[in-house]
Amino acid sequence: GPKVLQIPSHQIIDMGQMVTLNCDPVSNHLYFYWYKQILGQQMEFLVNFYNGKVMEKSKLFKDQFSVERPDGSYFTLKIQPTALEDSAVYFCASSLGRRSERLFFGHGTKLSVL
Amino acid sequence: QEKVQQSPESLIVPEGAMVSLNCSFSDSASQSIWWYQQHPGKGPKALISIFSNGNKKEGRLTVYLNRASLHVSLHIKDSQPSDSAVYLCAVPSFSKLVFGQGTSLSVVP
Repeated sequence: GPKVLQIPSHQIIDMGQMVTLNCDPVSNHLYFYWYKQILGQQMEFLVNFYNGKVMEKSKLFKDQFSVERPDGSYFTLKIQPTALEDSAVYFCASSLGRRSERLFFGHGTKLSVL
Repeated sequence: QEKVQQSPESLIVPEGAMVSLNCSFSDSASQSIWWYQQHPGKGPKALISIFSNGNKKEGRLTVYLNRASLHVSLHIKDSQPSDSAVYLCAVPSFSKLVFGQGTSLSVVP
């Protein structure tokens, strides 16, 4: 079936550094999402993106976070600077339509901030 | 803000048992409600959705929705060890899906 690829699968960085998480969504999908999951806890919405713009973001999407998808390439989540509490697994998802459309998820990028 | 609560937190059943998972939500927006399955180290995978009140069956899965009582349930017939995973209820809210905390299912041979 359709696949969402996330690169890298694991990233270890020092607190205060910048990190970029990359997502290759399903090719014809139009809506893109980032979710955050701390081990054993709930999948929490960060942000979604459509037509080059953020549609909605949560309180977890701090000022240090940004998203973009330049020229239809990777959908990226950038954190600058990182904090210890940013350690989590970040899942990218995409969908053809919005809201009640089926989301296709990647396998996640585990971010460890030391 | 939509709130999604799932029960039970975890469940251990013998192979072949019927499994029932519950989900309560706070706002009955007129959109489809989803169940996802998540294996360790993987992203969630959509299993089944339901839009209208009543039930919907797909293979060994049956989902029931009652918007008046803000409740949806997932039932897995003839459970298999490969069904062992975390099951997530997902409810639409504005332009996103809000997930419950999940039910961890273990099916023991």
